[in-house]
Amino acid sequence: GESVGLHLPTLSVQEGDNSIINCAYSNSASDYFIWYKQESGKGPQFIIDIRSNMDKRQGQRVTVLLNKTVKHLSLQIAATQPGDSAVYFCAEKWSGGGADGLTFGKGTHLIIQP
Amino acid sequence: SQTIHQWPATLVQPVGSPLSLECTVEGTSNPNLYWYRQAAGRGLQLLFYSVGIGQISSEVPQNLSASRPQDRQFILSSKKLLLSDSGFYLCAWSHHLRTQYFGPGTRLLVL
Repeated sequence: GESVGLHLPTLSVQEGDNSIINCAYSNSASDYFIWYKQESGKGPQFIIDIRSNMDKRQGQRVTVLLNKTVKHLSLQIAATQPGDSAVYFCAEKWSGGGADGLTFGKGTHLIIQP
Repeated sequence: SQTIHQWPATLVQPVGSPLSLECTVEGTSNPNLYWYRQAAGRGLQLLFYSVGIGQISSEVPQNLSASRPQDRQFILSSKKLLLSDSGFYLCAWSHHLRTQYFGPGTRLLVL
């Protein structure tokens, strides 16, 4: 099936810097995208979502950008903190696909250097 | 607010033994429910989903099965575990076919 992938498996940034995690998706019919954060040994935690009729959405210290032309999604984290260390997954869904699950990428491991 | 529970948190089982993992959701009604498996360092693979009591859809062939005996209860089972069944099992719920919210997960080790 079509898949969602992440460009970099590991990203290391200095504490206080901004982080950008990228994601490419291949299903042009996808109309809903979610970013999750997963800490070691825990379930994925919802961070932020965006629908395909938007190109930007902001939350607390996070911004998601969607470029439908090149089928690219990014998560920006401002002023990273040690607690931001985790694996970040993007997920995509086509709402016309019914109740079936999201399609996840493999994840990017974000490491915050002190 | 809604909460989702999974138990047990950790399980070590011998090959060939049965399995029963439970997931329950509180604070909502008629949710869509999902079972995912996550291999170490990998993404999530959808195993089963359910849109209502007794309604189960399977995404991949395997020796696992799922049941939904109550509106907010989802059970993952196996009659005989394989080594390849080891992994991190996650339950999730959603409404309106949108965001899915995950439980804390069950780590299963089959020896």
